Amino acid sequence: DAKTTQPTSMDCAEGRAANLPCNHSTISGNEYVYWYRQIHSQGPQYIIHGLKNNETNEMASLIITEDRKSSTLILPHATLRDTAVYYCIVGSGSRLTFGEGTQLTVNP
Amino acid sequence: ETGVTQTPRHLVMGMTNKKSLKCEQHLGHNAMYWYKQSAKKPLELMFVYNFKEQTENNSVPSRFSPECPNSSHLFLHLHTLQPEDSALYLCASSQDAGGGPETQYFGPGTRLLVL
Repeated sequence: DAKTTQPTSMDCAEGRAANLPCNHSTISGNEYVYWYRQIHSQGPQYIIHGLKNNETNEMASLIITEDRKSSTLILPHATLRDTAVYYCIVGSGSRLTFGEGTQLTVNP
Repeated sequence: ETGVTQTPRHLVMGMTNKKSLKCEQHLGHNAMYWYKQSAKKPLELMFVYNFKEQTENNSVPSRFSPECPNSSHLFLHLHTLQPEDSALYLCASSQDAGGGPETQYFGPGTRLLVL
């Protein structure tokens, strides 16, 4: 599976958009980009995934660059409950290799 | 509530004890997974079961013994563990463990402390 690089931590003001970047320059053609998050001491929660087109669901939007070497997860209106570790994972769905992720802190 | 439940939520055991962790999914999935998350470390995949058959064992020590009696239930039997096995053990399920895109649904985890 391709490796991903994410910032260790980010801060965001409540109500503002949170934009979480991820680099995956070694992604192969059939690998998907997945985003999960983990609120402290809970199980990870699926957010969104995509192959090459931008995707949006009720939780977030996923923007994938045309060369697929990077992506951005967008939480349009961050709330305090969005404070969590966000994992960007590249691969097939049955084989998720979690990295360190980005600790997003949403501040009042 | 993800549709994946784990029991117990917390477990303290001695190194000579035998205990079991239980996972149950109510989503009609065919694949189930065990992950280990040690303090300050990323999640590590331990085992994968697809249609009740073990398809992956990531070099897990034999003191961890998984069992999948049916597609809805997954157990992790523990015996003669070491203190370094203390961790959060997470169960997940997905539609199946094929090569296509799959969404995994995680349980809340069992927090294990080995004394």
